[in-house]
Amino acid sequence: QVQLVQSGAEVKKPGASVKVSCRASGYTFINHDINWFRQASGRGLEWLGWMNSNTGNADYAQKFQGRITMTRDTSISTAYLELNSLTSEDTAVYYCGRGSGSNGRDWFVPWGQGTLVTVSS
Amino acid sequence: DIVMTQSPDSLAVSLGERATINCKSSQTISHSSDNKNYLAWYQQKPGQPPKLLIYWASTRESGVPDRFTGSGSGTDFTLTINNLQAEDVAVYYCHQYHSTPDTFGQGTKLEIK
Repeated sequence: QVQLVQSGAEVKKPGASVKVSCRASGYTFINHDINWFRQASGRGLEWLGWMNSNTGNADYAQKFQGRITMTRDTSISTAYLELNSLTSEDTAVYYCGRGSGSNGRDWFVPWGQGTLVTVSS
Repeated sequence: DIVMTQSPDSLAVSLGERATINCKSSQTISHSSDNKNYLAWYQQKPGQPPKLLIYWASTRESGVPDRFTGSGSGTDFTLTINNLQAEDVAVYYCHQYHSTPDTFGQGTKLEIK
């Protein structure tokens, strides 16, 4: 079945970087975009950006411009999210989601299981 | 950015009854080119990722029970859950994919009365 499996929880110090992986299975990886989201504890969903899994081109939410990078390794069907200059405000569960729909990134199904990133000194 | 506002923030409904969740966008999320409404609904249970329920405002995702119905157009949308079951306890989010950045409503927490 179509599945996205994310890497495990991370604890980082303020100012550090984190890289989260999202491994796809059950479909042709390059045929669907990967989007990234985050959700702080007890809060709603925030879209971080998306990446064309075929070309590697990415587009990021403006508030993260300059400190976010989305990449992929097509040989292992895995997408990556890297976030730099972490602060406590970045503490959240990070999700990847496979884009679907007429342009390949309308709605998201399925989602990865989530990766908790904790930023603490 | 398009702001999505859900109402209510929480509601409690008896088993077997109907739950209604509203979602309002700050501008139209319907494209004149195809007359489609660029709205999806997700269900999120505690400790789980969101699960897609509805897209194009009213198209049910495969495998989603038909007691879940999406409706609305333009700026006003509704998710209706008929014959509420215990497993429907969750937080529900609307999501617009009309314009980048994608945005979500703040969520509506559904509980059993």
